[in-house]
Amino acid sequence: DTAVSQTPKYLVTQMGNDKSIKCEQNLGHDTMYWYKQDSKKFLKIMFSYNNKELIINETVPNRFSPKSPDKAHLNLHINSLELGDSAVYFCASSQDWGEGDEQFFGPGTRLTVL
Amino acid sequence: GQNIDQPTEMTATEGAIVQINCTYQTSGFNGLFWYQQHAGEAPTFLSYNVLDGLEEKGRFSSFLSRSKGYSYLLLKELQMKDSASYLCAVRAPGDKIIFGKGTRLHILP
Repeated sequence: DTAVSQTPKYLVTQMGNDKSIKCEQNLGHDTMYWYKQDSKKFLKIMFSYNNKELIINETVPNRFSPKSPDKAHLNLHINSLELGDSAVYFCASSQDWGEGDEQFFGPGTRLTVL
Repeated sequence: GQNIDQPTEMTATEGAIVQINCTYQTSGFNGLFWYQQHAGEAPTFLSYNVLDGLEEKGRFSSFLSRSKGYSYLLLKELQMKDSASYLCAVRAPGDKIIFGKGTRLHILP
């Protein structure tokens, strides 16, 4: 009965590889997000989707491409991985795109690029 | 520009009260969140303020002053399990949520 789940939990890969992180929520929420938390614990929004439509696309390299096949899923694909991509990536969801909507976070995916 | 400031670290004693401040300068404001994040875990929601004043929720309270661009999170009757990072986040126009860098709170027995 996990609310927001991500796979994998840990990902270790070489520079230049392409990898994907999957996210699913079973809360019936309309909005999903991807955040990156760097080594200094700074949490920064990358993307947000509402009803499968892209709402927020922060200044993220185009090597990062989100895909939302349906409202319950928001996957993140990363091409040509770089050392600086090493971080913890959190998926989150909220009921709607509006004020005060609490975000529920997934457990995070720790990506290490060697 | 968007700027959210919180102290980097604070230390308090079990059973005591601690106040974690957050100041923000953002181009527009639609509300302020507080999240708690234990080491190695995901952030969890604590509170949301959109109007001025104090919102109380058990041992935790959050205060907002929009005119001063200021909020605080008040934790009472501190417990060891309250050792965590506390993240202040502002909902800006376009519904972007901008997080501060977090305050790491250490609780001493």
